[in-house]
Amino acid sequence: DSGVTQTPKHLITATGQRVTLRCSPRSGDLSVYWYQQSLDQGLQFLIQYYNGEERAKGNILERFSAQQFPDLHSELNLSSLELGDSALYFCASSGGGTYYNEQFFGPGTRLTVL
Amino acid sequence: TQLLEQSPQFLSIQEGENLTVYCNSSSVFSSLQWYRQEPGEGPVLLVTVVTGGEVKKLKRLTFQFGDARKDSSLHITAAQPGDTGLYLCAGYNQGGKLIFGQGTELSVKP
Repeated sequence: DSGVTQTPKHLITATGQRVTLRCSPRSGDLSVYWYQQSLDQGLQFLIQYYNGEERAKGNILERFSAQQFPDLHSELNLSSLELGDSALYFCASSGGGTYYNEQFFGPGTRLTVL
Repeated sequence: TQLLEQSPQFLSIQEGENLTVYCNSSSVFSSLQWYRQEPGEGPVLLVTVVTGGEVKKLKRLTFQFGDARKDSSLHITAAQPGDTGLYLCAGYNQGGKLIFGQGTELSVKP
């Protein structure tokens, strides 16, 4: 158990819908990272938050957005969903804001868009 | 664009065999990491190699960082069914973002 929790574990929805994925980092970790894992693209970095502020952005679509709340949990919002958004979404956390801190991954949310 | 290429993509072996997984790039990385991911779980960090030529051992797993810091390898001795999983190499790109290879799916049959 990494100490990072993600809900829900599975999510099935339809095209055009909007969903919210939730992540609670390890106790004391200030950084939260979101990743998308699909069969064709592999594991891709989406976005990082550090202590409530956006720190780094990766291959995140404009239809996707994230935020980190004062209690440090984070949410990833996916809107106008397309079939191609079906994937595993992972959250990771680390203690600091610098990139060399070890990241601990949650168990992921499997999103299926029908 | 910094890319990490892993080979092979799939590996199916019998218990007791040895294997090597490779992670290659045309770019220099300050460090490379290896993760193992089991079905239904997130990746778990196994090791970080930071010095060119470095060799690190973790029980039956041996990790090596190339002298030029462009490649790494993972060698497993006497593989066991418990080693089954997806092995990912990863490194931080120049923008400080963690990028991953496509992964090697290892299956060890008893």
